[in-house]
Amino acid sequence: EVQLVESGGGLVRPGGSLRLSCAASGFSFSIYSMNWVRQAPGKGLEWVSYISSGSSTIYYADSVKGRFTISRDNAKNSLYLQMNSLRAEDTAVYYCARVTSIAAARDIWGQGTMVTVSS
Amino acid sequence: QSVLTQPPSVSGAPGQRVTISCTGSSSNIGAGFDVHWYHQLPGTGPKLLIYGNGSRPSGVPDRFSGSKSGTSASLAITGLQAEDEADYYCQSYDSSLSAYVVFGGGTKLTVL
Repeated sequence: EVQLVESGGGLVRPGGSLRLSCAASGFSFSIYSMNWVRQAPGKGLEWVSYISSGSSTIYYADSVKGRFTISRDNAKNSLYLQMNSLRAEDTAVYYCARVTSIAAARDIWGQGTMVTVSS
Repeated sequence: QSVLTQPPSVSGAPGQRVTISCTGSSSNIGAGFDVHWYHQLPGTGPKLLIYGNGSRPSGVPDRFSGSKSGTSASLAITGLQAEDEADYYCQSYDSSLSAYVVFGGGTKLTVL
């Protein structure tokens, strides 16, 4: 079964850091690009970051640029999001999603992991 | 404010047809970039419904169809069923913003 499972969410104070992980299974992880997309409570979807299959191309939304770092380990079938200098507005469910290119459809999504930034 | 504009809500009775619009601009939908549609049930992750403007992934019923014209796209659902009640999002690519990937604000479909 094709599956993405996020982990690493939790409660963190403003200015703190958190590292999210996304474990992929059931497909050849190394040939796909990956994304992080987030959804604040009661709000819509917001794209966060993109990484190509070999990590050569990386993009970030302006809202997280300079604070978040996306990475992947194809040997471990895993995607990561290092989040630093967290703000209250970063509070959201974070989803990882599979994609073939930056403009293509996100065809497989995980169930999400909740990040709460609060003092 | 979302780059792509969707109505906040639509509703219809079982068996009816509803459409959800997604309005963009010359830097995204109007520039020829594909539109994709997702639906999301409460408490779950989004699922791909339509890709490449009008193609359905395996397993998606043909009651769902997508189209694109100019700077807008539409999702149509025929033969409305209770289980169609969900949030629906359109998504495209934008060439003018560093956001790259843009979503609509979402539309809540209520089956009456």
